[in-house]
Amino acid sequence: SYDLTQSPSVSVSPGETARITCSGDELTKQYGYWYQQKPGQAPVLVIYKDSERPSGIPERFSGSSSGTTVTLTISGVQAEDEADYYCQSSDSSGNYFVVFGGGTKLTVL
Amino acid sequence: QVQLQESGPGLVKPSETLTLTCAVSGYSISSGHYWAWIRQPPGKGLQWIASIYYNGNSYYNPSLKGRVSISMDTSKNQFSLRLNSVTAPDTAVYYCARGVENLVRGELTYWGQGTLVTVSS
Repeated sequence: SYDLTQSPSVSVSPGETARITCSGDELTKQYGYWYQQKPGQAPVLVIYKDSERPSGIPERFSGSSSGTTVTLTISGVQAEDEADYYCQSSDSSGNYFVVFGGGTKLTVL
Repeated sequence: QVQLQESGPGLVKPSETLTLTCAVSGYSISSGHYWAWIRQPPGKGLQWIASIYYNGNSYYNPSLKGRVSISMDTSKNQFSLRLNSVTAPDTAVYYCARGVENLVRGELTYWGQGTLVTVSS
């Protein structure tokens, strides 16, 4: 199997910067994607291809990649950003085309 | 605007087959893109189940392969999931989603609202 590792939780105060990381060996070769999921709702794509932001997603959401880690950064966190965040990627073997990380709960204090 | 809507039984008995359908509006599934099923057990994370390309090519999560099949009905503009021999761990919210045009590994841009399926006798 192929695993993506995320920290279970991150806590920040409003206005601060939140960084959520996702680690996986294949991230040096495959893109990372990020989804935001609020309680009772479907996930929403916030970052694609490591650092691209879909239209309609606030500029405070950004993504980056370095080695085997991709990072979602939320600058100037707002209360509405409190949610679960999931990374997505894949392996290169042709077996695991879509893999999700375990998710990170962002708490806005 | 692309919209997806899941439908299926809310309750399935152990060992039975679960069949879910995703009705797509605002886009013809025969025109392109990958179409996927993802599930989320209560209180847990997301798990990809399967994807199908507009040309009918299908891709499965190896951990579920052998129990699952994905298909499309272009005449009804919908795609479906069948999961055999269900057990309690298959209890989850099941989402359908649209992927990108040319990469099965790509992002999932549109999601349905999800449907809860409970496996219980």
